[in-house]
Amino acid sequence: EVQLVESGGGLVQPGGSLRLSCSASGFTFSSYAMHWVRQAPGKGLEYVSAISSNGGSTYYADSVKGRFTISRDNSKNTLYLQMSSLRAEDTAVYYCVKTKYSYGPGPFDYWGQGTLVTVSS
Amino acid sequence: DIVMTQSPDSLAVSLGERATINCKSSQSVLYSSNNKNYLAWYQQKPGQPPKLLIYWASTRESGVPDRFSGSGSGTDFTLTISSLQAEDVAVYYCQQYYSTLTFGPGTKVDIK
Repeated sequence: EVQLVESGGGLVQPGGSLRLSCSASGFTFSSYAMHWVRQAPGKGLEYVSAISSNGGSTYYADSVKGRFTISRDNSKNTLYLQMSSLRAEDTAVYYCVKTKYSYGPGPFDYWGQGTLVTVSS
Repeated sequence: DIVMTQSPDSLAVSLGERATINCKSSQSVLYSSNNKNYLAWYQQKPGQPPKLLIYWASTRESGVPDRFSGSGSGTDFTLTISSLQAEDVAVYYCQQYYSTLTFGPGTKVDIK
């Protein structure tokens, strides 16, 4: 059974940093690109970041470029999102997401339960 | 980036009646080399993560009830719930994965 379990969320002051983790199991983690999607309270879904299966290629939404860093440790089946210079508008539930296919573009077939990041003084 | 729009923003349908949600992309998400539309639909219930319902515009994900169906091609797509059940109350999102992934703003479905 595929499981994605996020951790690391919490309350942080504006300008602060936080590192999210996503522990994956139930599939060959090293074969799949992985993604982060966020959802501000009461709002829609925003695609934040992605990383290729070997970590060699990354993507960032303009809203987080230069402030967030995605990485992965395939030996630990874990995905990370290092967030710095946090702003109030980064407040959201952050979901770790798996693509349906191990190659090429595809929909997201598994989502974690999400971890809440609140940026406030 | 491809911009996704959805209509209506919300709708209320009687139990057992049909619900129809529309999704439009700012450019075609049909890949001509394989004739596939890179379009998915998700269902999100309160307090839960989104759940994949439909991909390739019309392929139902395993375990999804057959009252859910997707149609359309190019830039215009539709999600249909043929007979609304109480458990279908949720927000529904379309998503394109033709290029940098983008989501529609969502459509809230309620019981009338």
